[in-house]
Amino acid sequence: GAVVSQHPSWVICKSGTSVKIECRSLDFQATTMFWYRQFPKQSLMLMATSNEGSKATYEQGVEKDKFLINHASLTLSTLTVTSAHPEDSSFYICSAMTTYRDTQGSIQYFGAGTRLSVL
Amino acid sequence: AQKVTQAQTEISVVEKEDVTLDCVYETRDTTYYLFWYKQPPSGELVFLIRRNSFDEQNEISGRYSWNFQKSTSSFNFTITASQVVDSAVYFCALMGPNFNKFYFGSGTKLNVKP
Repeated sequence: GAVVSQHPSWVICKSGTSVKIECRSLDFQATTMFWYRQFPKQSLMLMATSNEGSKATYEQGVEKDKFLINHASLTLSTLTVTSAHPEDSSFYICSAMTTYRDTQGSIQYFGAGTRLSVL
Repeated sequence: AQKVTQAQTEISVVEKEDVTLDCVYETRDTTYYLFWYKQPPSGELVFLIRRNSFDEQNEISGRYSWNFQKSTSSFNFTITASQVVDSAVYFCALMGPNFNKFYFGSGTKLNVKP
């Protein structure tokens, strides 16, 4: 299957600092990437949809100024958590959707996730 | 409204037992896609299967099989002769015809004990 690389896998930072997470599709081009947040023992919560060359679409309740998303190329999307606070500590997961669309539909391939701990 | 329900929060079985994970979905779209993903303790979601709404054929892949029934809006997943390595959280998901959003179920945690 397709490979999505997410970096870093683990980050610890002080409150007030900004953290950037990268999501790369390694062997396919993805016009659409998604960013999710997952709390312990819970399902994935979609934060935003990132489209290459355009502004991201944020889900209701997600602060745009807090979670900056940039989809600069067909293989790279970044999520920046600005002025992180302890409540932002979570597991963040990105996914990239294949652009090849047939009658079977597209597939989302997921990165390995980034565990953010804000002290 | 789109919705995926995985009523089983957690299931525990002994190795070699068969286990079925249930998934019920709701959608008004006539074209849609169903997925199963596995999330092991490491955290990475692994794609298992995709099914479109026009294809109700059941699928078998090794010890895994899927039963898609539109009449009951279900897409159940069965693991035959379970193994300890099958222990993970399994998510069922639904995507509409615009390919723009996934709707995840709450997940079922499977514990396979030796």
